[in-house]
Amino acid sequence: DAMVIQNPRYQVTQFGKPVTLSCSQTLNHNVMYWYQQKSSQAPKLLFHYYDKDFNNEADTPDNFQSRRPNTSFCFLDIRSPGLGDAAMYLCATSRGGLASAITDTQYFGPGTRLTVL
Amino acid sequence: AQKVTQAQTEISVVEKEDVTLDCVYETRDTTYYLFWYKQPPSGELVFLIRRNSFDEQNEISGRYSWNFQKSTSSFNFTITASQVVDSAVYFCALGGRIGKLIFGQGTTLQVKP
Repeated sequence: DAMVIQNPRYQVTQFGKPVTLSCSQTLNHNVMYWYQQKSSQAPKLLFHYYDKDFNNEADTPDNFQSRRPNTSFCFLDIRSPGLGDAAMYLCATSRGGLASAITDTQYFGPGTRLTVL
Repeated sequence: AQKVTQAQTEISVVEKEDVTLDCVYETRDTTYYLFWYKQPPSGELVFLIRRNSFDEQNEISGRYSWNFQKSTSSFNFTITASQVVDSAVYFCALGGRIGKLIFGQGTTLQVKP
């Protein structure tokens, strides 16, 4: 049974055309993360939500935004995709909790591979 | 600073060979967690193991085993009797502050039949 679901698995967009990637989870976890992974590189954290609190990484471009309308869903919006934004985008969740801030296991979805033409 | 180093970029073995993937980490925290993830060609990161800094016991799960040595800041992963299905990129990660994962660069393992 899928626990972290990402749609679509493959997304093609045009240069400058806004695109939204979605993530949903059935784990009822408090924390949701978005990572960008380029070819042959490690995943790079873009931002995460701790419940409704949004936490942006300092080096995440303004072109990337996120929304979390409820516990189960989280969206990644790329306002004006450039060629350099072509990558795999991974969503992850963790249980979350004050005492477990550095201990939680993150569970990843299958990813969305974004192509920018 | 927190850092994870996986010095082996690519490893190629023949099926049924044993293989060890190295991971060395740096942290000033006294309490921390270490993780291994597998990323097959499909792209999903699959959680394999989590180990806390106070537990240096080695762990075995089927053909997988992990050797945690705090004295050398290493958390190595061994696959015994490798199989073609083990072919993937393997990431070692350090659980940092505020739930952040600090990943190593990954080791690509190719198991040939």
